Parts: sequence; C-alpha cells; structure tokens
Amino acid sequence: AQRVTQPEKLLSVFKGAPVELKCNYSYSGSPELFWYVQYSRQRLQLLLRHISRESIKGFTADLNKGETSFHLKKPFAQEEDSAMYYCALFRDSGGSNYKLTFGKGTLLTVNP
Amino acid sequence: GAVVSQHPSWVICKSGTSVKIECRSLDFQATTMFWYRQFPKQSLMLMATSNEGSKATYEQGVEKDKFLINHASLTLSTLTVTSAHPEDSSFYICSADPGNQPQHFGDGTRLSIL
Repeated sequence: AQRVTQPEKLLSVFKGAPVELKCNYSYSGSPELFWYVQYSRQRLQLLLRHISRESIKGFTADLNKGETSFHLKKPFAQEEDSAMYYCALFRDSGGSNYKLTFGKGTLLTVNP
Repeated sequence: GAVVSQHPSWVICKSGTSVKIECRSLDFQATTMFWYRQFPKQSLMLMATSNEGSKATYEQGVEKDKFLINHASLTLSTLTVTSAHPEDSSFYICSADPGNQPQHFGDGTRLSIL
C-alpha cells in the first residue's frame, strides 16, 4: 500500500530563515510526488511536482529514492509562505485506475 | 488557469436529510473527478473516483449506498450524502483531472449535520 508521512504537524520559523518540510513515502512502484499548498481560506493548489524539477515561489523539492523522501525546502522563508502544505503521492495503475494519496499536512507559520 | 467550482461551500442540515454537493470544471472537460473527505486534524482521504458515463469507483470502507456519485457530463460530478448523520459531518473536497496535468481542486464543502 502506498503511504505518505509528514512527521511535523506544525512548523514555525522566522522570516528569512531556511525552511524544510519533511515528507517520506512508502510505495513499491515508481512514484510521482507532489507538494500542494493551501493558503488560509483558499483552495488546495499545486505547488510543485518532482518530475518537472522546477522552483515555484522559491520552493524546491528533490526526490530521494534511497531515503524515500521528498522534502520541500526554501532558503529564505517569507510571511506569505504561511500555509498548510501537503505532500502527495500519485499512483497510476493503468486506465482510469489511479490515485492521489496525501500526507496529513504541515502547517507552516512564518513569523515576522 | 483551470478552475473547479464546488457548491455549496457550507451546508447545515438536520440528521436524516440528504445533501447534494456539486463539482464543476469551469473551463475544461474532465472525464475523471475525485471526491475527498477531510476530518479535523487528519489528511485528505480519497473517497471515490468518479468517471463520466460509468459507475464510480469507491475506496475501501466507503459506503457506496451512502455516498452516491453521479458524473453525468464532462463538467459535472455530484456527491449526494444520503440520510446524513452527525458522523458524516466533515469537509468534502472534489478535484477534476484535466488530462496529462495534476488535478485541480474545488474550494471544498463544509457539511454540518445537526
């Protein structure tokens, strides 16, 4: 079974400090991993996906298959980064049989 | 960008009532839509996969007779919580698959059963 673990429910940093939101996964196949973000009173939206290897809003995440991790990082946190972050694993079993599994989320608070 | 509209955003009703939640893809067609449920302090859990023109695929432990899903068109899926009870109170989120892209999510529906 696939599983996504975000060990930190809450993470608080000061503005300008580096931030790392941890995500570990368990999946026997070849994973496709995502980070989603939900700002206060807004919908869940895609932040980044590992296959595109892009940096959005200064965030990056590298898939480490050896450690089965997909940690989200930003070198200098901003107050507007305060939000709920979800790590998610996508499994495609062929046809219409696919599934997105979410971690429990980490609430990031960036203090001024 | 792609937008998914979910309605209503909040509903309060008496126990025993059936509640319908709509999920619409506004600027794209979605053959597949998904329904998630989120309990307080827990993760988003996939309830079912809704396929246009065919029966929905339910996740283990989700009662298909309780949570009726209809995906009658390429832009609309509905979730009906039948004979709702207080334990059904939760936050329900839909998403739509535009094809070859990640899913786009609705704003969610907060369901409160008295």
